Amino acid sequence: QQQVKQSPQSLIVQKGGIPIINCAYENTAFDYFPWYQQFPGKGPALLIAIRPDVSEKKEGRFTISFNKSAKQFSLHIMDSQPGDSATYFCAASRGGKLIFGQGTELSVKP
Amino acid sequence: EPEVTQTPSHQVTQMGQEVILRCVPISNHLYFYWYRQILGQKVEFLVSFYNNEISEKSEIFDDQFSVERPDGSNFTLKIRSTKLEDSAMYFCASIREGTPDTQYFGPGTRLTVL
Repeated sequence: QQQVKQSPQSLIVQKGGIPIINCAYENTAFDYFPWYQQFPGKGPALLIAIRPDVSEKKEGRFTISFNKSAKQFSLHIMDSQPGDSATYFCAASRGGKLIFGQGTELSVKP
Repeated sequence: EPEVTQTPSHQVTQMGQEVILRCVPISNHLYFYWYRQILGQKVEFLVSFYNNEISEKSEIFDDQFSVERPDGSNFTLKIRSTKLEDSAMYFCASIREGTPDTQYFGPGTRLTVL
């Protein structure tokens, strides 16, 4: 199965809150799990990525948690800011082709 | 920092017309991709291209679609006879050899088929 399921579809948090976006996959052959951030009218931009041999990766305010046995991974945004308001896509790949989740529209209120 | 560029930013065409979407990948990148995103939906893989040939294509990428790297810098997506449902954002992406997973996306071309 090539699907990647992402939730929630939309998320509203207050500034300083910690939005969490979840993704689940089925194909155990996937070996690379990136998160992309997309602003309106722009292309997706790579935010952070993880491989299945680690359970957590942190870059600045962004953290990926990875649960290989459950085939799930999530994005946490610490101390969220209004400038983080965007659509976030999880994805999975093996060999380059990216399979994207449905996207989460995040709104961070001042 | 080098970027993937795409032209035009917006293309309006009549149903049945041919369109060519252009991409200039980052100069030392060797793997190229086209994706599309219908308004409000997820990004979908169309085709990957390496060493001047298609390496993989999705079921969306039917006979109406073709890709080409005509001159060693540009990477093009041609839609021979556009349909209303081809209206979408089309993104080009590229990968540098040695970092096989990190895809850099262009800003996209918005295709509107009337």
